[in-house]
Amino acid sequence: ETGVTQTPRHLVMGMTNKKSLKCEQHLGHNAMYWYKQSAKKPLELMFVYNFKEQTENNSVPSRFSPECPNSSHLFLHLHTLQPEDSALYLCASSQRTSGTDTQYFGPGTRLTVL
Amino acid sequence: GQQVMQIPQYQHVQEGEDFTTYCNSSTTLSNIQWYKQRPGGHPVFLIQLVKSGEVKKQKRLTFQFGEAKKNSSLHITATQTTDVGTYFCAVNDYKLSFGAGTTVTVRA
Repeated sequence: ETGVTQTPRHLVMGMTNKKSLKCEQHLGHNAMYWYKQSAKKPLELMFVYNFKEQTENNSVPSRFSPECPNSSHLFLHLHTLQPEDSALYLCASSQRTSGTDTQYFGPGTRLTVL
Repeated sequence: GQQVMQIPQYQHVQEGEDFTTYCNSSTTLSNIQWYKQRPGGHPVFLIQLVKSGEVKKQKRLTFQFGEAKKNSSLHITATQTTDVGTYFCAVNDYKLSFGAGTTVTVRA
């Protein structure tokens, strides 16, 4: 599946580094999402963008900064992260016409914070 | 958001056997979606249930939404090694709230 792509697929960074995760969807959807998946924890919704506007921030620490320049691209800027932020970060998109839209996930970025 | 709990957390199945995983809520759910995540992969949408008592089938997978819309189940018959992975239920209320998932392993 190549509908939603994410780069990089793997990232190792120190706590003082600044890095960005990129997500691109080729499905013509109007909504994009960032999720965090930690070991032994449910998928956690982080941010929701609908038509480039942020509609949900699920109490995410400010060291995570999302950016959505258009409906096809989504970024997650990372700075001064903590080791507990190590996780799989998943991007998803959907065509948000109702509360029952299907979300399509990208392959994720496996992040390790040293 | 609406909360869902999944049981069991782990399911070890002999190849060829059947098993069921459950998704429960204390509140009435507007809908239930099921996703499958293979080891090292990402969640992939399987099905959505909206109506009370709804039953949908996909080959060996049978999905059911309870009459009271407070629970759902996924039943897999004649388990194969390709069924390995984690199965998540999720409620879509303009944002997805996932259960913790049932991780399935298969003994050949």
